[in-house]
Amino acid sequence: EDQVTQSPEALRLQEGESSSLNCSYTVSGLRGLFWYRQDPGKGPEFLFTLYSAGEEKEKERLKATLTKKESFLHITAPKPEDSATYLCAGPRGGSQGNLIFGKGTKLSVKP
Amino acid sequence: GAGVSQTPSNKVTEKGKYVELRCDPISGHTALYWYRQSLGQGPEFLIYFQGTGAADDSGLPNDRFFAVRPEGSVSTLKIQRTERGDSAVYLCASSLSGLLADTQYFGPGTRLTVL
Repeated sequence: EDQVTQSPEALRLQEGESSSLNCSYTVSGLRGLFWYRQDPGKGPEFLFTLYSAGEEKEKERLKATLTKKESFLHITAPKPEDSATYLCAGPRGGSQGNLIFGKGTKLSVKP
Repeated sequence: GAGVSQTPSNKVTEKGKYVELRCDPISGHTALYWYRQSLGQGPEFLIYFQGTGAADDSGLPNDRFFAVRPEGSVSTLKIQRTERGDSAVYLCASSLSGLLADTQYFGPGTRLTVL
């Protein structure tokens, strides 16, 4: 069964304390892994798409990496404004538009 | 440019009533998606349109749920005989082409509360 699992469910960091979020997927024939950021009361905001193992993408303090089985979202020297829920998703096997989302990691960064 | 917009932002209705939720995609995007998100969960796929036709409706939970996109732009999600379990945030997304791994851009959602 296609599945996307994120860990941890919640993460509390001090400002400047770097860490990583994990996304494990068991989607047959993965054809893209997406990372989104979601603020309370808002829709998910696109961050990255990764297509193949070994690929890395960066945006400000965020870097996403992809292996054959999992993806990591590394946060370097986070700031309070990085506080949000981070979601990862992959296309369901055999479908083009049907994304399977994980439950997300709720990140809190304290000043 | 303008992003995906959804109306209303909030909808409160009574059990058994009919509701319509509207989505305006990004101009020029041919693919449109509906998801449902419950508290503490990730979005759950409902239906995907390529142009005017539903390319994948495998996520619609039952026949009370129906969606249309008659002119290939605006879409309406229709829910008949609403139940308390339908309460959730309904998210709409659009993408340029709907091709494999095309980036989906989300709207702010409609929060539906069924009393």
